[in-house]
Amino acid sequence: EVQLVEVGGGLVQPGGSLRLSCAASGFTFSSYEMNWVRQAPGKGLEWVSYISSSGTTTYYADSVRGRFTISRDNAKNSLNLQMNSLRAEDTAIYYCAVEMTTMYMDVWGKGTTVTVSS
Amino acid sequence: QSALTQPRSVSGSPGQSVTISCTGTSADIGFYNYVSWYQQHPGKAPKLMIYDVSKRPSGVPERFSGSKSANTASLTISGLQAEDESVYYCCSYAGSYTYVFGTGTEVTVL
Repeated sequence: EVQLVEVGGGLVQPGGSLRLSCAASGFTFSSYEMNWVRQAPGKGLEWVSYISSSGTTTYYADSVRGRFTISRDNAKNSLNLQMNSLRAEDTAIYYCAVEMTTMYMDVWGKGTTVTVSS
Repeated sequence: QSALTQPRSVSGSPGQSVTISCTGTSADIGFYNYVSWYQQHPGKAPKLMIYDVSKRPSGVPERFSGSKSANTASLTISGLQAEDESVYYCCSYAGSYTYVFGTGTEVTVL
């Protein structure tokens, strides 16, 4: 069974940093592209970042470019999101999602909550 | 990238059909056929219901169908059931490995 488990969320002050991880199992992690998607409290979904299967290609939403860095460790079946210079508006549930079907986020983790507040 | 526009809510009685619209631009929905729909129950992760505009992943009931015309995609739920009450989001590829989601529509089964 394909499983994604996000960890690393928590409470952080504005301007601080946090590193999220997503542990993947049940599939050949190194063969699939991955994404991070977030959802602010009571709001809709927002795509955050994409990484290719090899990790050589990455893309970001305008709202996080320059502050967030996506990476992956295919040997450890792990996806990461390094979040720096955090702002209140980054407060959200962060989901990792795999593109089992190319171009589509078809399996999602349960999410991890990030709260940016003083 | 601006969010795709969806109605805030739609409703229908059991057995009826409801259609949710999703309006984008010529840079996303209008340009690409990579349109998908997600169902999200409260406190749960989104679930893929439609991809490639109109295809259903394995396990998704046939009463869910999708279509697209110009810059607008649509999701139709035929034969509405109580378990279909949820929030639905459209999503479109927007080029350069970026994606844009819709604003979300709450479906209420009366």
